[in-house]
Amino acid sequence: DAGITQSPRHKVTETGTPVTLRCHQTENHRYMYWYRQDPGHGLRLIHYSYGVKDTDKGEVSDGYSVSRSKTEDFLLTLESATSSQTSVYFCAISGREGARTPNVLTFGAGSRLTVL
Amino acid sequence: AQSVTQPDIHITVSEGASLELRCNYSYGATPYLFWYVQSPGQGLQLLLKYFSGDTLVQGIKGFEAEFKRSQSSFNLRKPSVHWSDAAEYFCAVGAGYGGATNKLIFGTGTLLAVQP
Repeated sequence: DAGITQSPRHKVTETGTPVTLRCHQTENHRYMYWYRQDPGHGLRLIHYSYGVKDTDKGEVSDGYSVSRSKTEDFLLTLESATSSQTSVYFCAISGREGARTPNVLTFGAGSRLTVL
Repeated sequence: AQSVTQPDIHITVSEGASLELRCNYSYGATPYLFWYVQSPGQGLQLLLKYFSGDTLVQGIKGFEAEFKRSQSSFNLRKPSVHWSDAAEYFCAVGAGYGGATNKLIFGTGTLLAVQP
């Protein structure tokens, strides 16, 4: 998948526990994204990053935080997981450094999170 | 705000029949438009994209899409569907590119079933 690795791929956790999902890329892409996918809602953008330490909120950012301390890694954290955050989470990347092309996203394989 | 509407949640076609999946978008500037496909349990794969120029674009797996600015549409078509085309299809609009505004907004998806 174009050098994108998501971990863990599957996780079951309990309400109130913290959870961190990791996205790692080997493509040197500038932009990284976290989407969640739910039936009837398609993919909704949670947060994205346009450079190291540069992040912005998407349409469903409440309850989530992100960090990007280096180009390769983009972490999504649920500080206190709730059942409504049960979902499949996809990381995506776009835009090599120095490129000036519109945003073709390449997606990871997804991380399935279940919050009991 | 940008938005994408896919009016058909679920479509069933017979193998060998033609296919058209509808997509309407709302965006104030020149849109960048995409179709992605997702097979069960998989990530998303880019089928085709429109940035500018010829309004009929060709993609992988024999798919094409036509951009119609007057109708704010970007419908996906295939002349003859194969059983392997059964999947979920997502239309997306690119909300700018470069800087801090490089992101995709997705529709809710159309699930395609193919009958033998």
